[in-house]
Amino acid sequence: NAGVTQTPKFRVLKTGQSMTLLCAQDMNHEYMYWYRQDPGMGLRLIHYSVGEGTTAKGEVPDGYNVSRLKKQNFLLGLESAAPSQTSVYFCASSLTVVEGISYTFGSGTRLTVV
Amino acid sequence: ILNVEQSPQSLHVQEGDSTNFTCSFPSSNFYALHWYRWETAKSPEALFVMTLNGDEKKKGRISATLNTKEGYSYLYIKGSQPEDSATYLCASTAGQLTFGSGTQLTVLP
Repeated sequence: NAGVTQTPKFRVLKTGQSMTLLCAQDMNHEYMYWYRQDPGMGLRLIHYSVGEGTTAKGEVPDGYNVSRLKKQNFLLGLESAAPSQTSVYFCASSLTVVEGISYTFGSGTRLTVV
Repeated sequence: ILNVEQSPQSLHVQEGDSTNFTCSFPSSNFYALHWYRWETAKSPEALFVMTLNGDEKKKGRISATLNTKEGYSYLYIKGSQPEDSATYLCASTAGQLTFGSGTQLTVLP
């Protein structure tokens, strides 16, 4: 059981380039989330999805787009990367958002924008 | 957006010491409080999820308590070991999880 898999694990982009981060889960979870982690700031929610075909904005959505075309995949896109988007990105999933259910996290993608 | 705060930011203890950290969160509109253990270069791993005032959970040497009326949770580690070194994150939910910035624990041998 792979859980939550993120690809790629590392990436260096030049300012203005675009890229897509892929998150895949094999647990049949309805809810999926993208977070970014910056020093001293914990995990901040970028976008989330409550089911196939749905997406919603989180705390820091600007500069990112997402898609959930298949239940098992949640894609995070950067259309025109900026140095401020240098961060570690974590994907997570949960069965529901009902209280008492923990999240399962991927191992992260370290992105550097130069 | 909830304001979830953790203290201290970092902590160094000697092997064998017991320690505890605090997570404070808004007590209004509370649904659940999560604790995660996060080792460097790994993904956050769920420790506990608590929902009821007075909840206490235990996993080995680690335990947690919850006070929803005053908006805080404590995480306790009894007899700390070097392998307990990690960042401990708490998160509260009123729909979506909002994380604190974590307490970084270093256990010195």
